[in-house]
Amino acid sequence: DAKTTQPPSMDCAEGRAANLPCNHSTISGNEYVYWYRQIHSQGPQYIIHGLKNNETNEMASLIITEDRKSSTLILPHATLRDTAVYYCIVLPGGSYIPTFGRGTSLIVHP
Amino acid sequence: NAGVMQNPRHLVRRRGQEARLRCSPMKGHSHVYWYRQLPEEGLKFMVYLQKENIIDESGMPKERFSAEFPKEGPSILRIQQVVRGDSAAYFCASSSKGNEQFFGPGTRLTVL
Repeated sequence: DAKTTQPPSMDCAEGRAANLPCNHSTISGNEYVYWYRQIHSQGPQYIIHGLKNNETNEMASLIITEDRKSSTLILPHATLRDTAVYYCIVLPGGSYIPTFGRGTSLIVHP
Repeated sequence: NAGVMQNPRHLVRRRGQEARLRCSPMKGHSHVYWYRQLPEEGLKFMVYLQKENIIDESGMPKERFSAEFPKEGPSILRIQQVVRGDSAAYFCASSSKGNEQFFGPGTRLTVL
């Protein structure tokens, strides 16, 4: 699996967009980018995934650069409940075991 | 729609006892995964099961740990002769056809 690099922590004001970066410079052509998050003491929660096109759902948007070496998860209007550790994971298509690294600890403040 | 259910949510055992952790996947999901999260660390994959079959147990410790997912009933993660180092949060996830995984709330095991 391609390794990912994320900043250890970020903060964001409530109501503003939270942009969480992820570098995956060794990603290969059949590998997808997945994002999960884990709110304190809870199980991880799937957010979104993509291959090469930008993706959007009710939770977030995923922007993948054209060379696919990095991506950004965007929470358009962060709330206090979005405070969590966010994990960027790269998985080959058909693979089933995400490897959770350290992730980015996002703190949304009032 | 009920999500992934795990019980008990908290489990306390003394060293040498057995711990049994249960996981009921989401309705329609036949793939179950177990992860362990030690304090202040990330989740580590343990085992992947489909109904009555272990598909991948590469993350399971070689001794004392076992998992099953019977035809009927929940998946069980069993830890025999627990030691203090087994204290952790154990998360179960389920999926359909190996797609994105949905996680349960976890079982927090404390070994005294």
